Amino acid sequence: EAQVTQNPRYLITVTGKKLTVTCSQNMNHEYMSWYRQDPGLGLRQIYYSMNVEVTDKGDVPEGYKVSRKEKRNFPLILESPSPNQTSLYFCASSFGTGHQPQHFGDGTRLSIL
Amino acid sequence: AQKVTQAQTEISVVEKEDVTLDCVYETRDTTYYLFWYKQPPSGELVFLIRRNSFDEQNEISGRYSWNFQKSTSSFNFTITASQVVDSAVYFCALRSVAGGTSYGKLTFGQGTILTVHP
Repeated sequence: EAQVTQNPRYLITVTGKKLTVTCSQNMNHEYMSWYRQDPGLGLRQIYYSMNVEVTDKGDVPEGYKVSRKEKRNFPLILESPSPNQTSLYFCASSFGTGHQPQHFGDGTRLSIL
Repeated sequence: AQKVTQAQTEISVVEKEDVTLDCVYETRDTTYYLFWYKQPPSGELVFLIRRNSFDEQNEISGRYSWNFQKSTSSFNFTITASQVVDSAVYFCALRSVAGGTSYGKLTFGQGTILTVHP
């Protein structure tokens, strides 16, 4: 089954404790992206990657890191999480950057205390 | 920079009413794609439709229809004879493919919460 898998689905942690949210897709998609969803703000793009070893900042990259060492994986790293990073996070992937719609994971709800 | 505005934060209708969700976008590029996604209460994001900047034909899919007007930079979504199952958050999104600093970025609007009452 074609899917984008994020883990964990829920996480409560404390300020400053490094965490990684994994994202994996099995569709051989070149393009992968991370978004955060906050009430009233919609989805905002954090980072995106157009292929292996190619990443670029989205609209809200501060406090986040990503890597794309393999085509299927695109982990989101919070080196020193802070409460303002409490949010619902989505990973997405697609073929290319044009007309193809993105396939989204089920979301990861992060709470930073 | 590109921007998508969904001015309607929340809409509440009674079943069988028609409802239109507005989407206005800004981009300097001439080549771009517009999308609508649905987020039901279960939380997943479901792709509904895409439209490229060169195709202003309106589209109808069952009870759903989309009106793309380049002259007003709008891509509105209408649900005819709404049903309770249409209750969801709806997002409009813009992707530029013309190069420059926005290349590859997908920009979403703030979303419109639609509640359909029985």
